[in-house]
Amino acid sequence: AQKITQTQPGMFVQEKEAVTLDCTYDTSDQSYGLFWYKQPSSGEMIFLIYQGSYDEQNATEGRYSLNFQKARKSANLVISASQLGDSAMYFCAMREGHGGTSYGKLTFGQGTILTVHP
Amino acid sequence: GAGVSQSPSNKVTEKGKDVELRCDPISGHTALYWYRQRLGQGLEFLIYFQGNSAPDKSGLPSDRFSAERTGESVSTLTIQRTQQEDSAVYLCASRPRGSYEQYFGPGTRLTVT
Repeated sequence: AQKITQTQPGMFVQEKEAVTLDCTYDTSDQSYGLFWYKQPSSGEMIFLIYQGSYDEQNATEGRYSLNFQKARKSANLVISASQLGDSAMYFCAMREGHGGTSYGKLTFGQGTILTVHP
Repeated sequence: GAGVSQSPSNKVTEKGKDVELRCDPISGHTALYWYRQRLGQGLEFLIYFQGNSAPDKSGLPSDRFSAERTGESVSTLTIQRTQQEDSAVYLCASRPRGSYEQYFGPGTRLTVT
């Protein structure tokens, strides 16, 4: 069975600094994908970034980058130049399945609450 | 374009009553998922629909939970004889063919009193 572990219940960062949110995973699949979602207090789930297990480069999307270390089974999210609007809950998730017609079911971690201080 | 919509946004019901939650996916999205999020927790997978294939119901917590989807459109999640532990936010997501990204709706907050 797949499992996602986020060991940081809460993190604090100063505005304009970088922060790393930890995520480790466990799976027996060879093909899988890792996601990060942001959930503000409004409750919506906002997709941030995706990394496929066969992708050789770490994924980046603007201020977000995913530090993918396959051998360690970790997929940490790095947010550079933090902004006050980054304060939210962050979830790491993993999909099972493979290929363009991936089954896609997501297994989520427990989340990390990020607070950005001015 | 329009995103995933869910209704109602909030539902308060008495223990033992049945409830129906509705999800309208993004037009053209072939896959549809239901998740449950208890307070302060991550999302738990409930059920998955893909086109006309048989749904994957492996995440449904009990036989009080059921869901239907009409073709590639609307889905309803039904909870019979609600219990207090059913109180949670129920989130629906849809996904287009060939993409991994799931687009989430705003959720339905269910409170069972």
